[in-house]
Amino acid sequence: NAGVTQTPKFQVLKTGQSMTLQCAQDMNHNSMYWYRQDPGMGLRLIYYSASEGTTDKGEVPNGYNVSRLNKREFSLRLESAAPSQTSVYFCASILTFDYGYTFGSGTRLTVV
Amino acid sequence: DQQVKQNSPSLSVQEGRISILNCDYTNSMFDYFLWYKKYPAEGPTFLISISSIKDKNEDGRFTVFLNKSAKHLSLHIVPSQPGDSAVYFCAASAENGNTGKLIFGQGTTLQVKP
Repeated sequence: NAGVTQTPKFQVLKTGQSMTLQCAQDMNHNSMYWYRQDPGMGLRLIYYSASEGTTDKGEVPNGYNVSRLNKREFSLRLESAAPSQTSVYFCASILTFDYGYTFGSGTRLTVV
Repeated sequence: DQQVKQNSPSLSVQEGRISILNCDYTNSMFDYFLWYKKYPAEGPTFLISISSIKDKNEDGRFTVFLNKSAKHLSLHIVPSQPGDSAVYFCAASAENGNTGKLIFGQGTTLQVKP
């Protein structure tokens, strides 16, 4: 099925561990985004890639890095996880802005 | 500083009635507004949008109204159905679509009772 695929769906990390969240889209979209959702905070932009080969910081980039591996894939890396990074992470992509994002189903990350 | 605010965390309406979800914003540079719907354990899905040059956009049972002078937008769902029960997020962009970056509100949980 066409769409945005995120892996893993769930993850528990210990403080200080690292991990990479994977995101892939098969809709030939140019722009991709990583958001985190926290209770009472809505969704906040971590990093985005407006086009292949470019990445930029969003609203809450500290503690994260990203890689736009190719047009399809956009990964988010936590180098040294902290409990404050416990959240639900969503990847999204768009073809043209008028149609809104297509979101993945999310990765629920717990850092203990 | 919350630039997009949804001040009602929850709303409960009867099936068949109108649901009105509200959203306020502070940045006068916002030029495009969107509503997303989210079910538990799923990603948000795009619902409807409106450009700042319009004051109304309609799509089936869903209508979004924009009042720029009041910096307020609302989503009307008529008639409401139990399947509309979800979390609704409003979002805004200030960059004319050049980057696609959005600022989201906190969300409003809508419950439609049969």
